[in-house]
Amino acid sequence: NAGVTQTPKFQVLKTGQSMTLQCAQDMNHNSMYWYRQDPGMGLRLIYYSASEGTTDKGEVPNGYNVSRLNKREFSLRLESAAPSQTSVYFCATKSPLDEQFFGPGTRLTVL
Amino acid sequence: GNSVTQMEGPVTLSEEAFLTINCTYTATGYPSLFWYVQYPGEGLQLLLKATKADDKGSNKGFEATYRKETTSFHLEKGSVQVSDSAVYFCALSDRGTGFQKLVFGTGTRLLVSP
Repeated sequence: NAGVTQTPKFQVLKTGQSMTLQCAQDMNHNSMYWYRQDPGMGLRLIYYSASEGTTDKGEVPNGYNVSRLNKREFSLRLESAAPSQTSVYFCATKSPLDEQFFGPGTRLTVL
Repeated sequence: GNSVTQMEGPVTLSEEAFLTINCTYTATGYPSLFWYVQYPGEGLQLLLKATKADDKGSNKGFEATYRKETTSFHLEKGSVQVSDSAVYFCALSDRGTGFQKLVFGTGTRLLVSP
C-alpha cells in the first residue's frame, strides 16, 4: 500500500522545455490535488480534480495543465517551463473524512 | 476570503520544553481545522484535526482546540523531543465553492536541540 506516489523526485529543466509530473494513488480516493510549495508561501493550489473526468483551476493555474487519466492518476504538465516555476510540487488525495494525504514531492529547478 | 495566519518561525526550544505554535483563521461558516507536519525532504502528514467548535484534536502528544470565539487553533505539546523538529502547517477546509479545498498558513519551523 504505497499511498500517493510521485515521479520524478528531482528534475532540472531549461527555460522553455516541457515536462509532465506524474502522480498515482492506491487509496481509492475520488479527489486529487496539485500544489506548489515555495519558501515563505506555504502551499498554493494549482489544480484539483473532484472526480475522474473533472478538473478545476486552483489559486495559481497559469502555466500549467492537468489530466485526470483515471481514478488513480493525476498528471501535471508544464508546456514551456519558466524560472518562476522552480518549486517543490506535491500531489495529494482527499479521503471521505476530508483528510488530505500527500506524496513525497517533486523538486523542480528551471534554469 | 478564507485565510490562516501562523506565528513566524523558527521556534527554537530545548528538549522537554513546552511548545505552543499559534494559529488564527478567518473563515465564513464552520470550517474544519487541521495541523500538518513536514519533516525535511518529505511531504506533509496530517498530525491532527478538529471539525467543530470546542473539539480537541490530539496525536503523538500534540493537541489543539478549535476555539470559535477567538478563531484560533493553537498547537501545543507538553514536552518536545529532537525528533519533533519539522515545519508545522495550520490549515482550514474551504467549502466556499461547495468542494473542500485546504487553505494553508505559511508554516512554522520548529527546531529542538538536545
